[in-house]
Amino acid sequence: AQKVTQAQTEISVVEKEDVTLDCVYETRDTTYYLFWYKQPPSGELVFLIRRNSFDEQNEISGRYSWNFQKSTSSFNFTITASQVVDSAVYFCALSGKETSGSRLTFGEGTQLTVNP
Amino acid sequence: DAGVTQSPTHLIKTRGQQVTLRCSPKSGHDTVSWYQQALGQGPQFIFQYYEEEERQRGNFPDRFSGHQFPNYSSELNVNALLLGDSALYLCASSIYRAGETQYFGPGTRLLVL
Repeated sequence: AQKVTQAQTEISVVEKEDVTLDCVYETRDTTYYLFWYKQPPSGELVFLIRRNSFDEQNEISGRYSWNFQKSTSSFNFTITASQVVDSAVYFCALSGKETSGSRLTFGEGTQLTVNP
Repeated sequence: DAGVTQSPTHLIKTRGQQVTLRCSPKSGHDTVSWYQQALGQGPQFIFQYYEEEERQRGNFPDRFSGHQFPNYSSELNVNALLLGDSALYLCASSIYRAGETQYFGPGTRLLVL
């Protein structure tokens, strides 16, 4: 079975603060894929990033950065200099090649509120 | 390039009724997956369609069924609606390959009274 845990239910920050969203996953697959999605109040899930289990290189894209560590089964997401428009629910998701193909297992989400 | 589209956007039904939700995938995508998202929770996988066949199914009863058409669009049908079926139903499209990114539509909000 696969599992994704987002321990932070809600985070509230003031604009321009940096914020890190935590994600811990469980899978027995040797090849797996990790994703972050953003869900604004409108409801549509917006894709942010995908990483496969063989690519531990961390990346920075504008104000977003990701920290993938297989040793701790974590895939954390950081927003630098947060803005009010970043307010949304953020979901971490996992799919395992051997056991689940492309079906996604989601965490429960982290509600991020950025206050002006 | 149009993204994933879903219809209707909102729907109100009563217990025992049946409902059909529709989804058109992104251009170039051949696979459609459906997810149910209850309020305050993460999306739960219902099933996935490729080449007009159900390829994978999550832990949902047979009341939930689907179909995929030759143009890759898809329908989700729910029979004998229960109050607990009230949720946001999300459709996602992708290419049929493990680990491919799924792109989501705006969802259909279903309320069962």
